[in-house]
Amino acid sequence: KAGVTQTPRYLIKTRGQQVTLSCSPISGHRSVSWYQQTPGQGLQFLFEYFSETQRNKGNFPGRFSGRQFSNSRSEMNVSTLELGDSALYLCASALTSGRIGEQFFGPGTRLTVL
Amino acid sequence: GESVGLHLPTLSVQEGDNSIINCAYSNSASDYFIWYKQESGKGPQFIIDIRSNMDKRQGQRVTVLLNKTVKHLSLQIAATQPGDSAVYFCAEIPFSGGYNKLIFGAGTRLAVHP
Repeated sequence: KAGVTQTPRYLIKTRGQQVTLSCSPISGHRSVSWYQQTPGQGLQFLFEYFSETQRNKGNFPGRFSGRQFSNSRSEMNVSTLELGDSALYLCASALTSGRIGEQFFGPGTRLTVL
Repeated sequence: GESVGLHLPTLSVQEGDNSIINCAYSNSASDYFIWYKQESGKGPQFIIDIRSNMDKRQGQRVTVLLNKTVKHLSLQIAATQPGDSAVYFCAEIPFSGGYNKLIFGAGTRLAVHP
């Protein structure tokens, strides 16, 4: 079956703009998590959505938000972009949120903020 | 491809040798640990996992060892191949953190030389 897809793959924005990234999970998966990956901070958890509800949240400012639709597709939004937001944004899907299970990562969206 | 970490520790091995990648985790309450492999331009890929009630788990060519006393995790790769070249991350799930909230280590780059 098809893996996790993320669009767009690459994005260039300027400071102060906002951006929306999209993630389509594996068919049947209801949990979508988002991670930020930078050379300095590594992989950091942003948030997790399950059945359209945010279940977990990492330590990121309120400029970072997300949502999940009834078909489990998820979007994350970053408002008022800063240079430090330049990163690879990864989403991961899992079958469920209520027990430990394998998470499958997409290829990521590379965001560059100028 | 995209760089996942400019200043990661690097382990260089010869093809056919065994590799051992180490990871120190932070939370003594974590009860589930996972090793991921990330190739350039791709998202992390699940390799093997282990629960905190185990000391060792074996997969195909890989073994994970867990030492809870010193909060240490290791990944052993037997007969390392050029295709094993990648960045390897350990990740932990704290018992109270939510089942899909992964806390990643900094990563180790494995370079396999023919």
